[in-house]
Amino acid sequence: KAGVTQTPRYLIKTRGQQVTLSCSPISGHRSVSWYQQTPGQGLQFLFEYFSETQRNKGNFPGRFSGRQFSNSRSEMNVSTLELGDSALYLCASRETGAHNEQFFGPGTRLTVL
Amino acid sequence: AQTVTQSQPEMSVQEAETVTLSCTYDTSESDYYLFWYKQPPSRQMILVIRQEAYKQQNATENRFSVNFQKAAKSFSLKISDSQLGDAAMYFCAYTSGGGADGLTFGKGTHLIIQP
Repeated sequence: KAGVTQTPRYLIKTRGQQVTLSCSPISGHRSVSWYQQTPGQGLQFLFEYFSETQRNKGNFPGRFSGRQFSNSRSEMNVSTLELGDSALYLCASRETGAHNEQFFGPGTRLTVL
Repeated sequence: AQTVTQSQPEMSVQEAETVTLSCTYDTSESDYYLFWYKQPPSRQMILVIRQEAYKQQNATENRFSVNFQKAAKSFSLKISDSQLGDAAMYFCAYTSGGGADGLTFGKGTHLIIQP
C-alpha cells in the first residue's frame, strides 16, 4: 500500500495570507490526524477527522481548521497567517482503534515571512 | 490534561552498547496506550514500539523493549546493541483509550550513536 502523502512538501507564505495543506491517507484508513511541530512547542495535536467528522481539536485558535472528504483525504487550512505558524505540519492516518499505529506522512514545511 | 515528560534532551551511546530513554506521563485515565516514535533527520515519524496500559507484560520489538511501570507512570525505552541507524529524535507519546484526543508527545530525546 502507498504511504501517507502530503502536499505540498514546502510552502512559503507571508503574514496575513491563508494556506491549505492536503493529506491523503493510506487506503482503507478512515482516521486522519494533524500535528504541528515547532522547535519551541514540540509536537502538538491539531485535530482528528473520522468519516468526515472532526472528533476532537487541540488547543489552537479558530484560524486553524480542517475537513475530510468522503474518500478520507483531508485538508487543513490556516487563515491570517502569523510568523509563529511557521512549522512542520504532519498528517497521520490509522485504522479505527486507539491502539492502532498512526502512520505519518513526510510533512509540509510551512514558512511564514 | 495528560502530559508526557522526557527529561533527557540528549543521550549518547557507543555503537553496540545499550541505552535507556526515560519517559513519564500523567493521566487520570485507566485505559490508554503508550508509544515510542523515532524521527530521523528525514523527519519521517516511525513507530518503534507500543504498549497497552492494560497489559502487564512489557512490549518488545527485536532490539527495542520497554519498561512499563504503570503505578509510577513510567515508560522507558531500552535499545540494545545500538546501531548507527538508531540515531534520531525519539518521542514518547500517549493516547487515551478512545483515541480521539490524538497523540500527546513528549519533547523528545536526541539520541547520538558514537561509532
